[in-house]
Amino acid sequence: SQKIEQNSEALNIQEGKTATLTCNYTNYSPAYLQWYRQDPGRGPVFLLLIRENEKEKRKERLKVTFDTTLKQSLFHITASQPADSATYLCALGLNAGNMLTFGGGTRLMVKP
Amino acid sequence: KAGVTQTPRYLIKTRGQQVTLSCSPISGHRSVSWYQQTPGQGLQFLFEYFSETQRNKGNFPGRFSGRQFSNSRSEMNVSTLELGDSALYLCASSHRLAGLYNEQFFGPGTRLTVL
Repeated sequence: SQKIEQNSEALNIQEGKTATLTCNYTNYSPAYLQWYRQDPGRGPVFLLLIRENEKEKRKERLKVTFDTTLKQSLFHITASQPADSATYLCALGLNAGNMLTFGGGTRLMVKP
Repeated sequence: KAGVTQTPRYLIKTRGQQVTLSCSPISGHRSVSWYQQTPGQGLQFLFEYFSETQRNKGNFPGRFSGRQFSNSRSEMNVSTLELGDSALYLCASSHRLAGLYNEQFFGPGTRLTVL
């Protein structure tokens, strides 16, 4: 069956450390993958997009990798801050269109 | 630029009723997608409209329908409401049809409670 798995448990890290979130998928062949941040009571906010022919993308303190052989994406936040505390969602784009298939999300808590 | 707006923000209905939710995309965006978010199922794609045409449809029953107007504003309708339809309904807009090249901007959502 098709699945997208993200860390189901909350990830607790200390301020200043690097947070690494995983997104594993099964029986999908995505054309691209996106990461979103969602705060309670709000809609998701786009963070990064990576295409199937790309290995890594960076934006400020954020980095995403995409390994189509392992069927995995890793999302890193360096020098994490309490303001980074939120739920992070990975989303697969199964074709070139806008339809996204989301994972369940990982709740990140950054402690001061 | 104003963000994606959704109205109403909160709605309470009873089983069997129908409901219409509205979404105004970012100015200039022609693609509008709708998602349902529940604690159990997470975020699930409902449908996408581009230039008033439905381009993609998720795996939801026919009770869920939508439309898009010439100004890109979109509405979704749920008929014969069931308790399981209680959810946060999110609208997302994007400039182009190709998600391969662009991000989506989500609205704050409409929280629907079915009693």
